Amino acid sequence: DSGVTQTPKHLITATGQRVTLRCSPRSGDLSVYWYQQSLDQGLQFLIHYYNGEERAKGNILERFSAQQFPDLHSELNLSSLELGDSALYFCASSVVADSSYNEQFFGPGTRLTVL
Amino acid sequence: AQKVTQAQTEISVVEKEDVTLDCVYETRDTTYYLFWYKQPPSGELVFLIRRNSFDEQNEISGRYSWNFQKSTSSFNFTITASQVVDSAVYFCALSEAYSGAGSYQLTFGKGTKLSVIP
Repeated sequence: DSGVTQTPKHLITATGQRVTLRCSPRSGDLSVYWYQQSLDQGLQFLIHYYNGEERAKGNILERFSAQQFPDLHSELNLSSLELGDSALYFCASSVVADSSYNEQFFGPGTRLTVL
Repeated sequence: AQKVTQAQTEISVVEKEDVTLDCVYETRDTTYYLFWYKQPPSGELVFLIRRNSFDEQNEISGRYSWNFQKSTSSFNFTITASQVVDSAVYFCALSEAYSGAGSYQLTFGKGTKLSVIP
């Protein structure tokens, strides 16, 4: 158990809908990274938040957005869903200091199925 | 831009055989980190190892060993005496060591699916 929690575990929805995925980082971790794992693209970085502030964006679609709240949990919002958005979405947390690297601990993932 | 290549898409071995998973990376950074993660059929990502670019010592942990060669930009992973429980998808990943933005996202390879047959 990494200490990172993600809810829900599974999500089935229809095209055009909007969903919210939730991530709670390990106690004390200030950073949350979101990754998408799909058959086509593999595992790719979406976005990174540190202590409530967006730090970096990767291959994240404009239909997707994220935020990190004062209690440090993060939400990834996916809207106008398409079949191709079906994937496993992971969040990972770490303690980030600007001059060093800390390991990322991954949550169990949320499997999104868009029908 | 960073890139990780795992040329082996799928490998099948018979239990107790040794198997090596290849990983080749590209980066312009002189200091970086390399990782291996395991993804069993249950889907979670399990951290196996992190290696700093300035430390080329090979590492052994039980039946697992890693060979890091900067000269060939490779970070290969060997499982000795494979077991059925080793069946999983294995990912190699890369991260830069220093970031002005304070962000250290991982760049993953496509993964190698290992099947260990009893």
